[in-house]
Amino acid sequence: SQQGEEDPQALSIQEGENATMNCSYKTSINNLQWYRQNSGRGLVHLILIRSNEREKHSGRLRVTLDTSKKSSSLLITASRAADTASYFCAFDYIPTFGRGTSLIVHP
Amino acid sequence: DAGITQSPRHKVTETGTPVTLRCHQTENHRYMYWYRQDPGHGLRLIHYSYGVKDTDKGEVSDGYSVSRSKTEDFLLTLESATSSQTSVYFCAISEAAGGNGGTDTQYFGPGTRLTVL
Repeated sequence: SQQGEEDPQALSIQEGENATMNCSYKTSINNLQWYRQNSGRGLVHLILIRSNEREKHSGRLRVTLDTSKKSSSLLITASRAADTASYFCAFDYIPTFGRGTSLIVHP
Repeated sequence: DAGITQSPRHKVTETGTPVTLRCHQTENHRYMYWYRQDPGHGLRLIHYSYGVKDTDKGEVSDGYSVSRSKTEDFLLTLESATSSQTSVYFCAISEAAGGNGGTDTQYFGPGTRLTVL
């Protein structure tokens, strides 16, 4: 199994702005998932994108996947203070997680 | 929310004592995982199970053992706890893992905060 590398490590924005975070990986994947972790809580699954998909939407979330660059991005539009959390990417078989992106949304 | 509970939720113990953490699921998922989370390291996989009595090591398995005698329970044991094992431990489950079958989505428990003095 491989570990993704999220970038940036920390992101601070104002409520209403968009937040973009990226995930890079090294070997081919079948699918990629994004998770959110609120402080002191377990991870919560946000969205899964398969290797034959290029873009996927779920509410205010937009995920893109570029398999040629081995990278994915998560866009959160019109951020809210409640979006403050850490965000992680993970990959198909026996998921492992990187250090995540810590997002702070200021009201 | 997926039916996953962890017990205890908090534990303080002393170096050298044995500790067992329990993960219980009501989803009948095949795969179960134990992770630890430490500042600056993200989540690291300790052990996982792909069925009753079927387990394998993760990236940080030294000092830990696991057992799964029933689908619903996955136990993590620290045979002789050390201060370096002070951490937050998360259990996760998934219906499937790998390939194009199943969702691979993991569902996490609330975590156990373990302090080894």
